[in-house]
Formats: sequence, structure tokens, C-alpha cells
Amino acid sequence: SQQGEEDPQALSIQEGENATMNCSYKTSINNLQWYRQNSGRGLVHLILIRSNEREKHSGRLRVTLDTSKKSSSLLITASRAADTASYFCATTGNQFYFGTGTSLTVIP
Amino acid sequence: EAQVTQNPRYLITVTGKKLTVTCSQNMNHEYMSWYRQDPGLGLRQIYYSMNVEVTDKGDVPEGYKVSRKEKRNFPLILESPSPNQTSLYFCATSVGGDRDYEQYFGPGTRLTVT
Repeated sequence: SQQGEEDPQALSIQEGENATMNCSYKTSINNLQWYRQNSGRGLVHLILIRSNEREKHSGRLRVTLDTSKKSSSLLITASRAADTASYFCATTGNQFYFGTGTSLTVIP
Repeated sequence: EAQVTQNPRYLITVTGKKLTVTCSQNMNHEYMSWYRQDPGLGLRQIYYSMNVEVTDKGDVPEGYKVSRKEKRNFPLILESPSPNQTSLYFCATSVGGDRDYEQYFGPGTRLTVT
């Protein structure tokens, strides 16, 4: 399967700390996207990074992409309780492939 | 308001009873897709459609059918549901068919097959 894998599966931090989650994938990609899912709800797009980009920022989010290692990381700085959610990476080649997700809990 | 709607949101049915989950979007998007989400397995793509009358299999198409007769609608059909199709289903849409765009997700349909 081309599906990506996020690491760690679960992460618990205090409010104000930074959260880092990683995504590894198996084949070449056009781009990589990160999504957030609040419990049982539809996914919401956070950020897209193209295969020729190495780093991208959006507000408190910072995404890196290393195509040689087939990996990406999502950093959320100064986390808030409202950031509590599951985070998924998605790679696009011929189809969309989602990872298994990282469950983030931010403790107030 | 830009929306992806799914109906029904919750459904309990019995093995073998045909059902349809509807998906509709008002954003004039070309690309539409169905996913199922299961614990520990993440989201897996069932079928996708690049445009009207164009559909392709995703990772897990067995037991499902789709059609794309109109741009705005992309129903998911389970001809003979089985318990292993109990899952949370999401419809998603995207501006373009080249997958370089973000996807917009519907609210989900929780299906239980007994």
C-alpha cells in the first residue's frame, strides 16, 4: 500500500508547548498535504507542500518535506487546547493516500 | 456557503439490503471521492471521479459502486452490504482533477451493518 504512516500515533502535551508529528510515505509524490480531524468529523485541510518545496509556514504551523527520505513533519507551535484533534498526512500521486493519523491532546 | 453534504448521517441496516449514501457539493468541483475510515487504518479511498461520467477505483472498491451523472452529485451504492462495511464514510471534493488541490470533506456517514 502507498499509505503514509504518522508517528507518533498519540501525543499528549501541555498548552503552550510545541507539537511535532511525522509522516513517512513509500512512493514518489506530487505534493503532500496535512489535515486535521476533530473527533468523528470531516477532515479540514491545513497546508499543502509541493514536492519541490522543503519548508512551508502557515500561522503556527510549519511543515517540512524531505523527498530523499520520503518523510514530512508538522510542527504546531504554542499549542492550544483547541488544537486537540487527529492529524493526517495525505500524499498525492495517482490517488490520495492518507496516513493512519496522530492523535494530539493538548492539556490546558 | 460552500458545502459538501452527505445523507444520511447515520444508518443502521441489515446484511444484503441495498443502500445509497448521497453526496452533493455546491462548489462546482470537478474531483469527488469517497473514503472509509476505520480505527487503526486511517482513511482509505474507495472510488474517485475526475469529472462527469469518469470514475476510477481507489484502494478498497470491492462491494461498492458509484456514479457521476451530474457534476454536483456522487452517490455511493452498496448493493449487498455486509458487516465488514460497517464504517465511517466521507465524501470529499476538490477543485481540479490533478489532485494538486486541497480536498473539502463532508460531515461523514456512520454506517452499521448487522
